[in-house]
Amino acid sequence: NSKVIQTPRYLVKGQGQKAKMRCIPEKGHPVVFWYQQNKNNEFKFLINFQNQEVLQQIDMTEKRFSAECPSNSPCSLEIQSSEAGDSALYLCASSLSISNERLFFGHGTKLSVL
Amino acid sequence: GDSVTQTEGLVTLTKGLPVMLNCTYQTTYSPFLFWYVQHLNEAPKLLLKSSTDNKRTEHQGFYATLHKSSSSFHLQKSSVQLSDSALYFCALIGSALGRLHFGAGTQLIVIP
Repeated sequence: NSKVIQTPRYLVKGQGQKAKMRCIPEKGHPVVFWYQQNKNNEFKFLINFQNQEVLQQIDMTEKRFSAECPSNSPCSLEIQSSEAGDSALYLCASSLSISNERLFFGHGTKLSVL
Repeated sequence: GDSVTQTEGLVTLTKGLPVMLNCTYQTTYSPFLFWYVQHLNEAPKLLLKSSTDNKRTEHQGFYATLHKSSSSFHLQKSSVQLSDSALYFCALIGSALGRLHFGAGTQLIVIP
């Protein structure tokens, strides 16, 4: 069973609505990743954090998404104004370090934008 | 930039037969390769992680060898089981900052 907890499991939004999902990384893991997995099962890296600091993020994430990993609170990923193309499985993963360590994935939040 | 190529989108095999799923990569950094497996409606899980060049790593009957000369990390198993039916992703950490680059994935279906 996954020790990375993602909520909600399913999320349905209309176009233009905000969509927010949360992730509790595995205990003791300071590095958190968000990936988008589309209907063709392709992974797209969105952003990663080490503790509360952003390490890397892609352009799309900078513009339409906001993400944070506050101390002592779940990490979150929010789409400011959902588009149909955002419909996907959003996977959160955590790891012990950024160097060649395995990722532990949550079950994901499946977002459907109608 | 860093990239991973998996040439087979779908592989269908009869139980008991051997399998090889191809994975090649491109990076200018020293590569670390992984195989992740994702069963239906499950989270992806690590299956294998590369070791040093030309050294085989094994787990749960699956094995792979990192070959830097050919930029490959093919996944193999000598006898597939029904429970091996899943999506298999090859992934690369090439550069710093830990970003994992995934291949497109290979769907393995094992039939009785």
